Amino acid sequence: RKEVEQDPGPFNVPEGATVAFNCTYSNSASQSFFWYRQDCRKEPKLLMSVYSSGNEDGRFTAQLNRASQYISLLIRDSKLSDSATYLCVVNSPEAGSYQLTFGKGTKLSVIP
Amino acid sequence: SAVISQKPSRDICQRGTSLTIQCQVDSQVTMMFWYRQQPGQSLTLIATANQGSEATYESGFVIDKFPISRPNLTFSTLTVSNMSPEDSSIYLCSALTGTNYEQYFGPGTRLTVT
Repeated sequence: RKEVEQDPGPFNVPEGATVAFNCTYSNSASQSFFWYRQDCRKEPKLLMSVYSSGNEDGRFTAQLNRASQYISLLIRDSKLSDSATYLCVVNSPEAGSYQLTFGKGTKLSVIP
Repeated sequence: SAVISQKPSRDICQRGTSLTIQCQVDSQVTMMFWYRQQPGQSLTLIATANQGSEATYESGFVIDKFPISRPNLTFSTLTVSNMSPEDSSIYLCSALTGTNYEQYFGPGTRLTVT
């Protein structure tokens, strides 16, 4: 069974802290990797794609380790508005299905 | 990216009835999907909506229960048939776009079956 595993948290961090989320995936054929953010009672929203070389978008840095089948998301200088559930998502385009497999999410609460 | 709308945003339905959810994308997309999210759980793929052909269903989901239409490259419907309380969930439409196979989601339809 193809799976994506995340620490469910919750992570409770003060404003300004740096927090890191980790994710492992079981399907070595996976080709695309994403972090989504989901606010309570809202749809998931794409936060960033994760590239092999690692990528950064402002306070957010994502890294991929294919050998270890491991993805990470680092959030620096946490804001109250960062409070959400962060979903690790892996795409495994086998047989043309382009199916996304979602982790169960890591809940982050940034506290004043 | 893609902007996706869904109708209705929520509904309360009686057991045994059916509800059709509509999904509209603001641009033509190659692939559309339907997901279900139970409270406190992650997303589960129901099916891939194929334009001009029958949808491709995931294990545990069947066409008789969740018929799907996709008449063109911007629109799809999901029907939840003969509903039971176990069908209470959030149903999300998504569209595949971009060169990195990114998926964007509609706002979801919150269904409660009584």
